[in-house]
Amino acid sequence: DTGVSQNPRHKITKRGQNVTFRCDPISEHNRLYWYRQTLGQGPEFLTYFQNEAQLEKSRLLSDRFSAERPKGSFSTLEIQRTEQGDSAMYLCASSRGQGDSNQPQHFGDGTRLSIL
Amino acid sequence: EDKVVQSPLSLVVHEGDTVTLNCSYEVTNFRSLLWYKQEKKAPTFLFMLTSSGIEKKSGRLSSILDKKELFSILNITATQTGDSAIYLCAVEGDGTSYGKLTFGQGTILTVHP
Repeated sequence: DTGVSQNPRHKITKRGQNVTFRCDPISEHNRLYWYRQTLGQGPEFLTYFQNEAQLEKSRLLSDRFSAERPKGSFSTLEIQRTEQGDSAMYLCASSRGQGDSNQPQHFGDGTRLSIL
Repeated sequence: EDKVVQSPLSLVVHEGDTVTLNCSYEVTNFRSLLWYKQEKKAPTFLFMLTSSGIEKKSGRLSSILDKKELFSILNITATQTGDSAIYLCAVEGDGTSYGKLTFGQGTILTVHP
């Protein structure tokens, strides 16, 4: 069990640029989640994949955000035309689940995004 | 909409003290409640609770759930400086997504030597 891996750890970019983050879940986990965490707050749900299917997107996820999980393995989260308000820690989590049964989610160390 | 409220928001104690952290929730069709510890990086999993009245223990940490009153507590006995962290409570409902977690704001625990 190598844990959930996220890259890059830090990303600094200018407003208006596009950024892409990657998440490699624990290998046998079929469910993958993206969350966003700002200072002083708990993580907020963004989107969820079961295998390669994206099953839910939060209303927090504007049209500038897109996520993929090709082949049900790693996932990418892209933000287009970044804005100051996008500055946050982006956390990925994975779990093993079948039907309505779900094991605890395990989180990666996150990607900290800073918009200049 | 699911909601989680944690109290206190911050707590400062000395090594050896016992602390109790509170979590109350509102959720559509409760599935589970989870506690995580967050230091500088990833939240690390502590407990997953699904049944009322059954205490879960791991070393100096323990947690219990009351599904009738809609709350959970996390106890830490004989605190150590290494317990300093943010403790997050989260709930899972059976809304649209299995496993989607709604988190509270967290309790910042500081343990002084």
